[in-house]
Amino acid sequence: DAKTTQPTSMDCAEGRAANLPCNHSTISGNEYVYWYRQIHSQGPQYIIHGLKNNETNEMASLIITEDRKSSTLILPHATLRDTAVYYCIVRAADQTGANNLFFGTGTRLTVIP
Amino acid sequence: EAEVAQSPRYKITEKSQAVAFWCDPISGHATLYWYRQILGQGPELLVQFQDESVVDDSQLPKDRFSAERLKGVDSTLKIQPAELGDSAMYLCASSLGEVQAYEQYFGPGTRLTVT
Repeated sequence: DAKTTQPTSMDCAEGRAANLPCNHSTISGNEYVYWYRQIHSQGPQYIIHGLKNNETNEMASLIITEDRKSSTLILPHATLRDTAVYYCIVRAADQTGANNLFFGTGTRLTVIP
Repeated sequence: EAEVAQSPRYKITEKSQAVAFWCDPISGHATLYWYRQILGQGPELLVQFQDESVVDDSQLPKDRFSAERLKGVDSTLKIQPAELGDSAMYLCASSLGEVQAYEQYFGPGTRLTVT
């Protein structure tokens, strides 16, 4: 069963911020939110993860709502190389296996010149 | 930067033949994952190893698929016999450990076409 809901596709103008939403209304207290992306014909790439505080790294920012039922991945200045499928994954800290690593179908982000 | 290596990158095989994929994880990574990704879908976990032990193979079709990680380092995924529906990308990933903060690093994948 899917733990997250993402839009199927989004467009973003080059140089603008890309805001990718993810709903995870059934998230449990010990579950982290992870984001990965997959550029065409490559393996997925880890972007960022968080539990309840907002997080930022060199690639992106992750904003998690106070009730933790949704989050937004922000790419501050999208480039053409950011065109990819973005996966939002909810993963429990103390569990393992297939039910804990469900990618879903993700959001296809297209950055437009 | 260390990477997960996979070979071959592409494989075409006929139905009912045997096929094998190899994965070399990042050095020091105890956890290794094999995923299958059908075109247009997200990766689906097939099997997860912690060192040489299988942690989860609940999604592995064991009548035809097998996986091993004998020395707890590199790993082989085998399909015998291959079926048309096995055409997919097979991805290997590794992580330092299984729990929470350890992100997975993925290899480039092996694209299998069964004819």
